[in-house]
Amino acid sequence: EVQLVESGGGLVQPGGSLRLSCAASGFTFNSNWMSWVRQVPGKGLEWVANIKPDGTESHYLDSLKGRFTISRDNAKNSVYLQMINLRADDTAVYYCARVPGSYSLYDYWGQGALVTVSS
Amino acid sequence: EIVLTQSPGTLSLSLGERATLSCRASQSVGNTYLAWYQQKPGQAPRLLISGASSGATGIPDRFSGSGSGTDFTLTISRLEPEDFAVYYCQQYLSAPITFGQGTRLEIK
Repeated sequence: EVQLVESGGGLVQPGGSLRLSCAASGFTFNSNWMSWVRQVPGKGLEWVANIKPDGTESHYLDSLKGRFTISRDNAKNSVYLQMINLRADDTAVYYCARVPGSYSLYDYWGQGALVTVSS
Repeated sequence: EIVLTQSPGTLSLSLGERATLSCRASQSVGNTYLAWYQQKPGQAPRLLISGASSGATGIPDRFSGSGSGTDFTLTISRLEPEDFAVYYCQQYLSAPITFGQGTRLEIK
């Protein structure tokens, strides 16, 4: 059974940093692109970033470039999202999601990690 | 950036009725690069349809997708209690990947 479990969310002050983790199981992790998608509570979905199976290529929402970094450790079956210089409008539930093939749609999602940026 | 506009914002229907949800793209996404998701409160989205019309694994056949170019439709043939949720379309033709704003399907 495919499982994605996020961790690392919490309350952080504006300007602070946070690192989210997503532990994957139930599939051959190093075969799939992985993504982060976020959702402001009560609002819609926003793609954040994705990363190639071998970790050599990644892409970001333009507005987040320079502040967010996606990475992965295939030995640990994990994908990460490092966030720096956080702002109030980064407050959201962050989901990691699996890309099933060559195209960026998402067949499995984690339960989400809530990040709250507030003083 | 491809903007996806979903309509209606909220759809109120009764059990057993047919639901028709629309997703319009600001430019063509071809006939394959469109997905639909269902999201219930407190849960992650669930993939329903990929390639505009292919049902995902385990999705009941009352869910169907159609359309091409800029106009797409998700149809639920006979509403069951568990179908009342928010539905999102997503395009994956070009970066950045974008989602529609969602349609809330509520019980009338």
